[in-house]
Amino acid sequence: SQQGEEDPQALSIQEGENATMNCSYKTSINNLQWYRQNSGRGLVHLILIRSNEREKHSGRLRVTLDTSKKSSSLLITASRAADTASYFCATGNQGGKLIFGQGTELSVKP
Amino acid sequence: SAVISQKPSRDICQRGTSLTIQCQVDSQVTMMFWYRQQPGQSLTLIATANQGSEATYESGFVIDKFPISRPNLTFSTLTVSNMSPEDSSIYLCSVVTGGSYEQYFGPGTRLTVT
Repeated sequence: SQQGEEDPQALSIQEGENATMNCSYKTSINNLQWYRQNSGRGLVHLILIRSNEREKHSGRLRVTLDTSKKSSSLLITASRAADTASYFCATGNQGGKLIFGQGTELSVKP
Repeated sequence: SAVISQKPSRDICQRGTSLTIQCQVDSQVTMMFWYRQQPGQSLTLIATANQGSEATYESGFVIDKFPISRPNLTFSTLTVSNMSPEDSSIYLCSVVTGGSYEQYFGPGTRLTVT
């Protein structure tokens, strides 16, 4: 079963704009991870944020986590056409299992 | 991270047959998992592949349908048994290395059942 929801389900922006995707979950977590998937291919690991962290950066990516609201957001700054993909959040427990959100389909137009 | 390979990358199978998918990692890993991604959907965990013992299955998945082996810390197989068109999905293995909890995925096996 899915842990929670991602919104929006689909997002279309112009190159150079910022893209923000949100993820909500239901139970307590050890960590939250974000992935990118291009056209039904393998998942690329983007970033992991631990439950005791509030914000994390990696290049053009910024992830926030609010455990009181059980939500996370992924911000991609200065988007590029190559960022076009599906983005998934996944919550992890100490046993390593991941529960995935529904995903956000991002389209970046040149 | 780890380098993960899966075989086959894709296959088209007839209903009633079985397919075994292999997952090979280039280093010893503590945890290995198998996921399914149905067309247009997100990923769902099938089971945890335990080294040297029976896999731990999630609700809705059973050993008779998805037998899993993990003979060592770098290799696992997932068999999809007695296939039906509803089994058409991408099957992905994943690993957790060390204590970071970062989970990395193989390239997936795209299965079509006709």
